[in-house]
Amino acid sequence: GQQLNQSPQSMFIQEGEDVSMNCTSSSIFNTWLWYKQDPGEGPVLLIALYKAGELTSNGRLTAQFGITRKDSFLNISASIPSDVGIYFCAGLGGSGGSNYKLTFGKGTLLTVNP
Amino acid sequence: NAGVTQTPKFQVLKTGQSMTLQCAQDMNHEYMSWYRQDPGMGLRLIHYSVGAGITDQGEVPNGYNVSRSTTEDFPLRLLSAAPSQTSVYFCASSYRLDNEQFFGPGTRLTVL
Repeated sequence: GQQLNQSPQSMFIQEGEDVSMNCTSSSIFNTWLWYKQDPGEGPVLLIALYKAGELTSNGRLTAQFGITRKDSFLNISASIPSDVGIYFCAGLGGSGGSNYKLTFGKGTLLTVNP
Repeated sequence: NAGVTQTPKFQVLKTGQSMTLQCAQDMNHEYMSWYRQDPGMGLRLIHYSVGAGITDQGEVPNGYNVSRSTTEDFPLRLLSAAPSQTSVYFCASSYRLDNEQFFGPGTRLTVL
């Protein structure tokens, strides 16, 4: 099935640094979502984006819906140890998928060194 | 609200056994779905439901059955467990079809 290309696969950073990760697709999506998953837990929604060009913040997190609708990025500013986890992008709707099914990237594993 | 709940949290089965993974939500969401998560494969959709009495197949439906008799519950049945079904299973729900989906805590299943 359709896959999103999420990069980087993993990141190892120092506490206080900023982080950036992104997702790209060959198809367009109507909605972009960013989730975080802690070990042994389900994905938790961080940010939802509904319009091309939209820039949305949630605390230290900022995400943008690419103007072409084929990409999205997530930035984390001033990282802290509890930011550790796997971050997933997901697309919904558009030519890239259906309105019923989230298409997921394979995740970015973030490690923060205190 | 409890959100999306799943039981059991862990389960070990022998090949050929059957079982049901439970999923419930108390948010009056119409849409519910089941995903499996495997290393290097990300999350893949098994089955989904757009409302009580309506279900459909996702990407990887073989070996699984679902039903949706109520808005709140969406159980996933493994008919005859196989080692290839060893995975972590997540249930998710959303208010509308095009809304963000909320996930349960997962069921970690091992089939020996």
